[in-house]
Order: sequence, then structure tokens, then C-alpha cells
Amino acid sequence: DAKTTQPTSMDCAEGRAANLPCNHSTISGNEYVYWYRQIHSQGPQYIIHGLKNNETNEMASLIITEDRKSSTLILPHATLRDTAVYYCIVRVMNRDDKIIFGKGTRLHILP
Amino acid sequence: NAGVMQNPRHLVRRRGQEARLRCSPMKGHSHVYWYRQLPEEGLKFMVYLQKENIIDESGMPKERFSAEFPKEGPSILRIQQVVRGDSAAYFCASSPAGFRAGSPLHFGNGTRLTVT
Repeated sequence: DAKTTQPTSMDCAEGRAANLPCNHSTISGNEYVYWYRQIHSQGPQYIIHGLKNNETNEMASLIITEDRKSSTLILPHATLRDTAVYYCIVRVMNRDDKIIFGKGTRLHILP
Repeated sequence: NAGVMQNPRHLVRRRGQEARLRCSPMKGHSHVYWYRQLPEEGLKFMVYLQKENIIDESGMPKERFSAEFPKEGPSILRIQQVVRGDSAAYFCASSPAGFRAGSPLHFGNGTRLTVT
């Protein structure tokens, strides 16, 4: 699986959009981009995933650049409960490769 | 629809004792995964099981650790003769299909093992 690069930490004001970047410059054509988050003392939570089209669900939006070398997770109206570590993971389908979590981005939502 | 249930939530064991961690996957999920998170560190994959079969145990320590997912009942992660370095949060996840299908994993809230 391709490696990802994320900032170590970010701050965002409550009520504003939180934009979390992820670099995956070596991604291959059959690899998907997944986002999970881990709120303190809880298990990781799946957020969203996509291949090349932008995706949106009730939690977030995922914007993938046309060359697929990077993506951005957008939390449209961040709340204090969104404070967590956010993990960007790329992985291929149709293989039993395990999901590997990196260090992620520690997002602090400021009141 | 209940999520992934792990128990106990907290477990304290003395060095040399055995620890048994239980995981009940979400209804309809036949794939289970165990991850470990040491204090202030990231999540590390341990093992992936499908009913009665171990699919990938590449992250399991070679000794003292074992996992099972019987036809009936929860998945069990067993640690024999625990040592202080086993103190960690152990997370279980489940999915309706395996890694191959790309199904998102649904995680429980973990068991925090403390070895004294």
C-alpha cells in the first residue's frame, strides 16, 4: 500500500470548516483513500472513502485531486466533539492486505 | 443495531497471569480484527480472523498470544503469562466482508489492559 503524509497537528475554530490534508503521491490506480478518526479513549471510527470522485456523507466530504496524489477531508462545521486523531489510509481492494494506521493528524477544535 | 462489543472495558492482571479479552462483532459480521495501541503510540494490527479461521496473524507476537473466533460465541484474544509491556488498549473491529472487499471496519471501544 502507498504511504501517506499528514500534518502532525492542526487547530480549527469551532463552527468553521476543518480541512485536513493528506499526501499520497505514490498512490496507484486501484488504491482507495480511506479516512478514520479516533476520539480520545474510544475505538477508531470510519468516516469516508473514495477512489477518484469526490464523496460526501453525513459526516464529511472527501476531495481527491485529479492526479489523485493528494486529498482533503472536510468537516464542514467543526464542533468540539470533532477533536480527534484523523487517519488517512490508502489501500487496494481485492487483496487481503491489512489496514495499517499511521500517526495521523491530531485535530484540535478551539472554542 | 448494537455495535462491536468488547469486554471487559478495563482489565488488571498481575505479571504471570492470563488475560482473556472478548469481542462480539456486529450482527451479520463474520470478519474480526484485533489491533493493539500502546500508550502514546499508534494502532498496530495483530490478527484477522474469519469464523473458525485465522486469515492473517502477521502482527501477533510469536509467544504467549493467541486468538480465536469460534463458530458460536465471541472472538477471544488470549495473552498468557502477561508482562508489563503487554499493558495497552486492545481494539477489536468487525466487518461484513474481509479486507479484500474494502468494507469499512467497525471498532469497539477497546479493552484497557494494565499489568501490575
